[in-house]
Amino acid sequence: DAKTTQPNSMESNEEEPVHLPCNHSTISGTDYIHWYRQLPSQGPEYVIHGLTSNVNNRMASLAIAEDRKSSTLILHRATLRDAAVYYCILRATGALTDSWGKFQFGAGTQVVVTP
Amino acid sequence: GAGVSQSPSNKVTEKGKDVELRCDPISGHTALYWYRQSLGQGLEFLIYFQGNSAPDKSGLPSDRFSAERTGGSVSTLTIQRTQQEDSAVYLCASSLGFREGYTFGSGTRLTVV
Repeated sequence: DAKTTQPNSMESNEEEPVHLPCNHSTISGTDYIHWYRQLPSQGPEYVIHGLTSNVNNRMASLAIAEDRKSSTLILHRATLRDAAVYYCILRATGALTDSWGKFQFGAGTQVVVTP
Repeated sequence: GAGVSQSPSNKVTEKGKDVELRCDPISGHTALYWYRQSLGQGLEFLIYFQGNSAPDKSGLPSDRFSAERTGGSVSTLTIQRTQQEDSAVYLCASSLGFREGYTFGSGTRLTVV
């Protein structure tokens, strides 16, 4: 299975940008890069996903390296509500392997936002 | 509905009893997933349904766990002869297709005493 590596935690000041890195050096060509976040006592929430090109939505931006071996989730202006665990996950959509279609969540990055 | 609905939200059961957890996915979502999350831990994949295909049961921890999805919609996760180590939050998610993002429910917190 393709796996991801993320820092355990990151701190940011409120209203400043947050750049969350994710390494996925064994990614295959048909693996989508997904980001989810989990606020305390809640289920995970979809943030963004992409394959090759950078993606933007109302929540965040996803910057994908040209070789796809890493990506960065960008929260443009952190708020206290953004404090959560952020998960970077690869979703296999190519050949039918054991990991096809499903997510394997790692430990994620705990984001702490300071007022 | 507007989101993924799970019931009950909390369940306390005695060791050895059977429990059923219910998940109502978003209407039209063909894929449905069950995960569980023990206190302070990450999410553990349990089972995955995609359309009419045979489910991927590779994450079920023992034969005490089973799940079904009726009519391509509602799913029930059943745990037989519950053990204390089954205590966790059980999360259901659905997606429109296998390339799309998941929408998670709020989960069922199961406590086995």
